Amino acid sequence: DADVTQTPRNRITKTGKRIMLECSQTKGHDRMYWYRQDPGLGLRLIYYSFDVKDINKGEISDGYSVSRQAQAKFSLSLESAIPNQTALYFCATSDLTGDYNEQFFGPGTRLTVL
Amino acid sequence: AQTVTQSQPEMSVQEAETVTLSCTYDTSESDYYLFWYKQPPSRQMILVIRQEAYKQQNATENRFSVNFQKAAKSFSLKISDSQLGDAAMYFCAYRSPITQGGSEKLVFGKGTKLTVNP
Repeated sequence: DADVTQTPRNRITKTGKRIMLECSQTKGHDRMYWYRQDPGLGLRLIYYSFDVKDINKGEISDGYSVSRQAQAKFSLSLESAIPNQTALYFCATSDLTGDYNEQFFGPGTRLTVL
Repeated sequence: AQTVTQSQPEMSVQEAETVTLSCTYDTSESDYYLFWYKQPPSRQMILVIRQEAYKQQNATENRFSVNFQKAAKSFSLKISDSQLGDAAMYFCAYRSPITQGGSEKLVFGKGTKLTVNP
């Protein structure tokens, strides 16, 4: 089974709808992240969380909110979706063990807002 | 703020040949971490190779190696004996050292699309 899972994998919705993207991990990592990928722009950080009581905004948090329900679960919500939020969304996890603390990514959720 | 630049939007290579993907970055920090991620058509982000700025020896992982030039702020990826499965988007990423209150965010370049021709 995958260490970092995201649901749904694909979603089409309409402008103004509320959408929740979910991320779960079995790696036991404390740190979790949400990134957005747009064509030609690479990935950009939306929100990050160091534990269940710690939530921080990234560089493009406007229009998004998050919830850290447990160490293993980190959800991203779009309260009122708009077409320019059409993108590929990635969840990632990391911890403080090892030298590099690299981030491990989920498979991504492709969101289309019509 | 740190920035990462990948100047080659697309590259192509013949199967079994060698290709080098370029990455430059801008930072005022003396210690940091650099990564190359591969994104095949499946969309999964796969870590290919990593390098810490304080380690002078270039990282190597099987057919993948880097040429890390700290003074030039350059971190290129060399793929030897290219295989069809190497076809993907490749992203260079920068991360600051972990500090109290830091975000540990990855700063990504815009990517290079690699095509491998049979």
